[in-house]
Amino acid sequence: SQKIEQNSEALNIQEGKTATLTCNYTNYSPAYLQWYRQDPGRGPVFLLLIRENEKEKRKERLKVTFDTTLKQSLFHITASQPADSATYLCAPDDSWGKLQFGAGTQVVVTP
Amino acid sequence: DADVTQTPRNRITKTGKRIMLECSQTKGHDRMYWYRQDPGLGLRLIYYSFDVKDINKGEISDGYSVSRQAQAKFSLSLESAIPNQTALYFCATSERLASNEQFFGPGTRLTVL
Repeated sequence: SQKIEQNSEALNIQEGKTATLTCNYTNYSPAYLQWYRQDPGRGPVFLLLIRENEKEKRKERLKVTFDTTLKQSLFHITASQPADSATYLCAPDDSWGKLQFGAGTQVVVTP
Repeated sequence: DADVTQTPRNRITKTGKRIMLECSQTKGHDRMYWYRQDPGLGLRLIYYSFDVKDINKGEISDGYSVSRQAQAKFSLSLESAIPNQTALYFCATSERLASNEQFFGPGTRLTVL
């Protein structure tokens, strides 16, 4: 069955450093992958989309890579700020036009 | 006003009761989705609708039903609530293209006693 893995342990990082989150998937080949941010008690908010033919995508301080050989996406937050503290969800498509969400990784940025 | 609204925001009910969660959107999107979120499990798809006449079961549809009353409205019903349906429920919308981002509502926190 299709499976998505994100690190369940919170990532604690100092302000100004780069946070790197990993999303691994197995048993399928998504055509694209999205990343969302979720704050406690709120709905997820879309951040970035990367397609299978794109190696890297950037948006301001965010960078996403997509390695279809490794079946992995990396999400980077550069020059992290306390306001970046949240849970980040990866969501590959499931080949039928729907997203399948990972459980998310919590990021805590301390001043 | 919010583009995707959910009512109620919080609900406590008892086992066996029928519950309806409502979702409305002003984005004009064709596609609407219902997810539940449990700690450590991420978002799981309950039902989805690609247009008013197209409704499909998701990963965990047992115990739930839906109604797409109009393009802008998609309701989720729990016919006979049970405690393991206690969760945070989200409605989401997206445009016609499958790769388009999803826009989520604020969520409904449901507790079944």
